Amino acid sequence: GENVEQHPSTLSVQEGDSAVIKCTYSDSASNYFPWYKQELGKRPQLIIDIRSNVGEKKDQRIAVTLNKTAKHFSLHITETQPEDSAVYFCAARTGTASKLTFGTGTRLQVTL
Amino acid sequence: DGGITQSPKYLFRKEGQNVTLSCEQNLNHDAMYWYRQDPGQGLRLIYYSQIVNDFQKGDIAEGYSVSREKKESFPLTVTSAQKNPTAFYLCASSTPRGPGANVLTFGAGSRLTVL
Repeated sequence: GENVEQHPSTLSVQEGDSAVIKCTYSDSASNYFPWYKQELGKRPQLIIDIRSNVGEKKDQRIAVTLNKTAKHFSLHITETQPEDSAVYFCAARTGTASKLTFGTGTRLQVTL
Repeated sequence: DGGITQSPKYLFRKEGQNVTLSCEQNLNHDAMYWYRQDPGQGLRLIYYSQIVNDFQKGDIAEGYSVSREKKESFPLTVTSAQKNPTAFYLCASSTPRGPGANVLTFGAGSRLTVL
């Protein structure tokens, strides 16, 4: 089955700096890669996703890049703000199955 | 509550007891899922169901059981066979159609503690 590795497990940045979280996946047939954000005490929510026919996608301060050859994808957050502090999960889906395999999460702390 | 409701929010169980966690959605989603969240281990899939009366094992199904008798409901039973049941359980749903296709909508979670 699919295996998703996520790094780093914790990340601390100063407000205004950029943050990058990286994930690798094992199944070359994976075709959908979402990112979820979970604030403390809240449920995970989708923040951005990318499909395998696209190399990069942006939404304001958030971007995701995908390298199918290397089987890795990354989340980039620019101009970080305190409200970006949360746990971020990457995930991958193989084929037409509806199930997602998640990474182990990255706890991002944005300090003032 | 985001269209997907989990209950109870907190649950305490003695060893050897079965417990059932409820998950109900009014989003008309076809697929429903149960994930287990432990610190440092991310979200691990227990069971999922793509249509009524059908479900599949996820990565950590041992010691758990589910049913999908109605589209809106996907209860999870944590049996006494589950060796380490203390965890935070998240239910989710999704639809394969439309602009939100395959996006998981999560419930608020149920925290189970075995005493």
